[in-house]
Amino acid sequence: RKEVEQDPGPFNVPEGATVAFNCTYSNSASQSFFWYRQDCRKEPKLLMSVYSSGNEDGRFTAQLNRASQYISLLIRDSKLSDSATYLCVVLSGGSYIPTFGRGTSLIVHP
Amino acid sequence: DAGVIQSPRHEVTEMGQEVTLRCKPISGHDYLFWYRQTMMRGLELLIYFNNNVPIDDSGMPEDRFSAKMPNASFSTLKIQPSEPRDSAVYFCASSLYQGYSEQYFGPGTRLTVT
Repeated sequence: RKEVEQDPGPFNVPEGATVAFNCTYSNSASQSFFWYRQDCRKEPKLLMSVYSSGNEDGRFTAQLNRASQYISLLIRDSKLSDSATYLCVVLSGGSYIPTFGRGTSLIVHP
Repeated sequence: DAGVIQSPRHEVTEMGQEVTLRCKPISGHDYLFWYRQTMMRGLELLIYFNNNVPIDDSGMPEDRFSAKMPNASFSTLKIQPSEPRDSAVYFCASSLYQGYSEQYFGPGTRLTVT
């Protein structure tokens, strides 16, 4: 089993839709969680951290479910500019070694 | 700050040649990471440094790969000899500290080995 797994998609949604992605991780001792966004042929950039209590940033909501070992990202009112690949990152071990998922592709169409 | 700087942005080389990728992290960042990204395997951590010291190189695929960080503002990833399967995008990233710190990625080096 891979350490961090994501549904590659693509998720093809119309503008204004709500879409959610999940990311599962295998190491129950994982400590830190993030969502990054990567545009085509660009570098990954931090979208948001994922806190135990859940957190929201505008149209984006991230949640952590430690019992089931997954994190989620919810995007409301999708915009064309949200089209990208969304990577989850899990940090584990005493040295906080980062492991990236392979990403979920989102395509928002008019 | 200019962000993380990588060079070259594109490299095309023949199998068997030596390839050197370069990275300048953001000033003041104590951690530097080298990643490789391919369609098949996604983004893989190769090695990371803390205060110029290699901490974990378990992701380095084989002895053909080596990385150095002679000072806080410069790191290299070398492949010798290169093989077609090394073709990928190589990213360098830096962060202030581990744990909850954001990683800032460079624009990447797109390597093609023919």
